[in-house]
Amino acid sequence: GAGVSQSPSNKVTEKGKDVELRCDPISGHTALYWYRQSLGQGLEFLIYFQGNSAPDKSGLPSDRFSAERTGGSVSTLTIQRTQQEDSAVYLCASSLALLADNEQFFGPGTRLTVL
Amino acid sequence: GNSVTQMEGPVTLSEEAFLTINCTYTATGYPSLFWYVQYPGEGLQLLLKATKADDKGSNKGFEATYRKETTSFHLEKGSVQVSDSAVYFCALSALEYGNKLVFGAGTILRVKS
Repeated sequence: GAGVSQSPSNKVTEKGKDVELRCDPISGHTALYWYRQSLGQGLEFLIYFQGNSAPDKSGLPSDRFSAERTGGSVSTLTIQRTQQEDSAVYLCASSLALLADNEQFFGPGTRLTVL
Repeated sequence: GNSVTQMEGPVTLSEEAFLTINCTYTATGYPSLFWYVQYPGEGLQLLLKATKADDKGSNKGFEATYRKETTSFHLEKGSVQVSDSAVYFCALSALEYGNKLVFGAGTILRVKS
């Protein structure tokens, strides 16, 4: 595809349910990042992948959050037992390589609403 | 840790006015600096960047200069247009931290015709 895609674009779930958010990076991009955008916290880093490994998971808010990347491409962010404070827009970005000036290209985001 | 502080908004200007959005950072080492923009209903996109001291990034009439001595990266435009209305985010990244972006809080810009 031409850009980073994310699915679903919107997700409404009930408190306590699990959700999976998907990110398809730009083909050939080795680095993939997850961020969260919420009114109270702004834009926060969650986790990044270089290939299939995640050297930095420091931004994951709790052990209810996990992510994986397979085949150096698609990534899935899973939130277990969702809470209302998980409501936010989850953004995925990819970059060609792990170089200092590499631009990160962002997807349109998944808007998660936890009722 | 690394952090970014940018001026709070909203900033409301008339068309053709001069724009400055202040951004300062705290970082160890030599981060790369970025301005990202989010237009209404659209995703985040890179506006401009600078990777070393005294570099000037520019795009679409916007400019920002990497000032190491004042740890700043202020965004400027000489003459804003209504179409510049958006949220602007200053950010930094450092290779030793995997290039993850650390964002400022964002500044809403509203340009009136």
